[in-house]
Amino acid sequence: DVKVTQSSRYLVKRTGEKVFLECVQDMDHENMFWYRQDPGLGLRLIYFSYDVKMKEKGDIPEGYSVSREKKERFSLILESASTNQTSMYLCASSLQANGQYFGPGTRLTVT
Amino acid sequence: RKEVEQDPGPFNVPEGATVAFNCTYSNSASQSFFWYRQDCRKEPKLLMSVYSSGNEDGRFTAQLNRASQYISLLIRDSKLSDSATYLCVVFPSGGSYIPTFGRGTSLIVHP
Repeated sequence: DVKVTQSSRYLVKRTGEKVFLECVQDMDHENMFWYRQDPGLGLRLIYFSYDVKMKEKGDIPEGYSVSREKKERFSLILESASTNQTSMYLCASSLQANGQYFGPGTRLTVT
Repeated sequence: RKEVEQDPGPFNVPEGATVAFNCTYSNSASQSFFWYRQDCRKEPKLLMSVYSSGNEDGRFTAQLNRASQYISLLIRDSKLSDSATYLCVVFPSGGSYIPTFGRGTSLIVHP
């Protein structure tokens, strides 16, 4: 079975803090994704990566950056957390245009 | 027009009922289609792929209608445990591995 893990299930941070969310997959997938999910808005793509050190902006990249130094690991960075970044963050991986596999999510609260 | 549209529901059905959801997509060249299931406060999980010829997995049947640009999910003999949100996912043409997610249809199965 594909396994995608995320570093934290719940996280509480203060406004202005730098936040790191980590994601690891064990299936040698080339593609990795970061989404946020908010009630009524569905899944929104923040960034994706199709190879090591490669990254592309998604629909809502503002306020976020990413890092992919190893194939299995994709990190999402909030440079200076703000309250409007309170959300559920979901990491996913996939092989080419096949279905994505999601991690359990990180519920981030910024106070 | 949204790229992928779903009726948000909720669909309220008794145990044992048959229920069907549709999902329409706007890009006629879309290539790959999937249904995901998402339980409350959990990550989306791949339920099944959707093939042109239709496919079945136990009580679940997925179908694709390219002419009318929609996919469907039929659930027979509904169980309480089927209560969840069902997301449809569409991959555009050209080998893109960036999917578009619908916002989901909520299903509530009651005793």
